[in-house]
Amino acid sequence: ETGVTQSPTHLIKTRGQQVTLRCSSQSGHNTVSWYQQALGQGPQFIFQYYREEENGRGNFPPRFSGLQFPNYSSELNVNALELDDSALYLCASPSTGGGFTDTQYFGPGTRLTVL
Amino acid sequence: GDSVTQMEGPVTLSEEAFLTINCTYTATGYPSLFWYVQYPGEGLQLLLKATKADDKGSNKGFEATYRKETTSFHLEKGSVQVSDSAVYFCALSDSSGNTPLVFGKGTRLSVIA
Repeated sequence: ETGVTQSPTHLIKTRGQQVTLRCSSQSGHNTVSWYQQALGQGPQFIFQYYREEENGRGNFPPRFSGLQFPNYSSELNVNALELDDSALYLCASPSTGGGFTDTQYFGPGTRLTVL
Repeated sequence: GDSVTQMEGPVTLSEEAFLTINCTYTATGYPSLFWYVQYPGEGLQLLLKATKADDKGSNKGFEATYRKETTSFHLEKGSVQVSDSAVYFCALSDSSGNTPLVFGKGTRLSVIA
């Protein structure tokens, strides 16, 4: 049990739609990261939020955006969905308040299918 | 940039067989190295980690040694069980702790009774 929860578990959308995925961490740490895991691939870093501000972004376009709230829950928003956005989306929170060398606890993920 | 290369899967073993999953990395400096495991339908769980050269990470019978001279972090287990069937990911993060995890593509392990 990692203490990181995500919702929904599964989601089906059509191309061009917008989607919001949610994450919350029991640890209450002020850092959360989001990753995209395409089928048969390793997770790829989307962005990190620290104290409600974006604090690092991977190679993803601006239509991927996020929010972090004062209660340390977080959202990932994707606009203008494309077929290639179909993937498992994972959020992660560190075991302490430190950086990426700390153990990252991952949530179970949200499986997004874009038709 | 930093990268991780894992052996291609799938790997199929009989119960009690010896497991090795190869992982090599490319990074500047001295990254921290991790093995994560993903069971069917679940997210990633940290299996073990090592933060400096010659460190050995171990957990649940799995071991991996940080080899700087060969830039490797191979995962081993002496006797696998059916319950070890999962996808295993090797990952790194640079020593500053300010860069995100970089993952390999994963290796699927199937253990048959």
